[in-house]
Formats: sequence, structure tokens, C-alpha cells
Amino acid sequence: QVQLQESGPGLVKPSQTLSLTCTVSVGSISTADYYWIWIRQPPGKGLEWIGYIYYLGTTYYNPSLKSRLTISVDTSKNQFSLDLSSVTAADTAVYYCARLYDFRYYMDVWGKGTTVTVSS
Amino acid sequence: QSALTQPRSVSGSPGQSVTISCTGTSSDVGGYNYVSWYQQHPGKAPKLIIYDVTTRPSGVPDRFSGSKSGNTASLTISGLQADDEADYYCWSYAGSYILVFGGGTRVTVL
Repeated sequence: QVQLQESGPGLVKPSQTLSLTCTVSVGSISTADYYWIWIRQPPGKGLEWIGYIYYLGTTYYNPSLKSRLTISVDTSKNQFSLDLSSVTAADTAVYYCARLYDFRYYMDVWGKGTTVTVSS
Repeated sequence: QSALTQPRSVSGSPGQSVTISCTGTSSDVGGYNYVSWYQQHPGKAPKLIIYDVTTRPSGVPDRFSGSKSGNTASLTISGLQADDEADYYCWSYAGSYILVFGGGTRVTVL
């Protein structure tokens, strides 16, 4: 079964860029049937999708975050990454990476999540 | 603000059934059979329990069932157990590669 693991700094200063990486193991990221998605959950709140990417590099972003967002993929490392610029306290959240089934749009495998706090 | 509307909380006694609604529009829930449901225990990652409106992944008990009528999808938990106490989220495809989500429902086992 595919496994996902998020990694990156747990603390980011306001106005800086939040960067996270998700490593895919026990499976390949270069799979035709799946996208790879980032989702976040602010403290005490619900889930929010950030954006997702196909292994060939096609990206789809949440319109509310699009202007600050870059998602990329490195198939040689079996990783995909998130860069969110100009962060504020509102970007403080647990960030999850997950596998999104193409054409049916459900997330069947999730990482454990990583907490990112935006604070000076 | 979430695009799909869920009740903030529902509760039931062990053995009872509870149903969580997820109301959207004809552009999302009503327009596609791509509704999924996720269970999240405190401090844990969400877990897929229903996809394609009614399908349970392997390993998910048949006490969990999904349905849809018009613009509203529903998750029913039958034979409520203590471990079912968690937050539940619905998601739907909304066309043009956009996903929409519900605000979550806390299920309490009395």
C-alpha cells in the first residue's frame, strides 16, 4: 500500500514562503490513475483543499489560494511539493498530502499530516 | 466558508443509527456522483469511508452507508459504536477541476 509522508519547517515567519514536500513510498508517483493533492486544516476547523498535481506536471489550484501557490512534482525522487508565498497567521494549519483518484475525485491514501505555524 | 452544508453535530446511543446530511447544489453534489465521505478521529488524518456516493472501500464496515437525493448526499452510520465518535466530512467534485467540501459534523456517541 502506498504511503505518504509530509516534511518541512514547522514554523514560518509572516510574509515568507511556506514550503513542504510529500514523499511517496511503497509505490510510484508516476501513476496514470492518480493525482497528488495538498489539503490543510486550520486549528479547530474543517478541511480545505489547496491544489493537486498530475505526475506529468499539470496542476489545479484552489482559486482562493492560486495567486500565492505553486505545486510541483519530482518524479525522480517520488516527491511532490508545495510552496505558499506571503503567508499570514491564517495559513497556520495541519497540512496533509494525499492521493486523489483521477476521474472520481476521492482521496484514498493520506499522509499523517504536518503542523505549520506562521508566527514571528 | 464551506460550499457544502453539514450539521455541526449529531448524536446517538450505542446501537442506534445516525444520518449526516451534506447539501450542495446542482453544480456539485447534484451534478456528479463523485461524493466522498471521510472520518477523522482527533489528532489523526482523515480516512476515506465512502466514495462514489455509495461505495465502501475494502475494510470499512457495512454499518457505514452513503446515498444521494438531488443536491443532498447522506452518510448513515448504523449500529453506532463508541469508536464511531469522530468528525465526518463530505467532499464533492464541482466541475472544472474544482473540489468542494463540507464543514464537518461531529458525531457523539452518548
